[in-house]
Amino acid sequence: TQLLEQSPQFLSIQEGENLTVYCNSSSVFSSLQWYRQEPGEGPVLLVTVVTGGEVKKLKRLTFQFGDARKDSSLHITAAQPGDTGLYLCAGATGNQFYFGTGTSLTVIP
Amino acid sequence: KAGVTQTPRYLIKTRGQQVTLSCSPISGHRSVSWYQQTPGQGLQFLFEYFSETQRNKGNFPGRFSGRQFSNSRSEMNVSTLELGDSALYLCASSSGLGTEAFFGQGTRLTVV
Repeated sequence: TQLLEQSPQFLSIQEGENLTVYCNSSSVFSSLQWYRQEPGEGPVLLVTVVTGGEVKKLKRLTFQFGDARKDSSLHITAAQPGDTGLYLCAGATGNQFYFGTGTSLTVIP
Repeated sequence: KAGVTQTPRYLIKTRGQQVTLSCSPISGHRSVSWYQQTPGQGLQFLFEYFSETQRNKGNFPGRFSGRQFSNSRSEMNVSTLELGDSALYLCASSSGLGTEAFFGQGTRLTVV
């Protein structure tokens, strides 16, 4: 079983603070995706990282894929209430996707 | 380009009934995966269909089944519903080659 562990599981911060979410595994993935999900809705794809060591920026969000392609991080700068949601990482290997345990983020105005 | 469409969005059923959920993937995508999401268990993989064949299967009882049609649309069926089947059911569409997966909005199933 290829498990992806995310930490922290829950995070509650004040608007304007910075935060980092981690996605770790002992398995190597060909690519890794990050999703954000709002209550009652499907996850929305934020980014895909493919190359070990790759860093992608999406406005205030910075995504990094580990050098060994086993882990990833998501850093949010100056969090806003609109960032509230469940963040999921997913690793792809072969033709399968393996989802992380999720990080529930609440940004308090 | 249309996204992934799941119907219906909401469903209420009673115990013992059966239900069929539908998923239309992104045009050109040949893989459809189904997931069950509950607050306690997170996202649980049900099965994946690729070109009308079930290619991968999760650890769910036989009451959960699916199929895929020649146009890549997929249906998921749950028979003899139990209260614990209440969940958000999500389908994800992809090319089937290990690239990105795109989700539908989900079907919220409530079993009473």
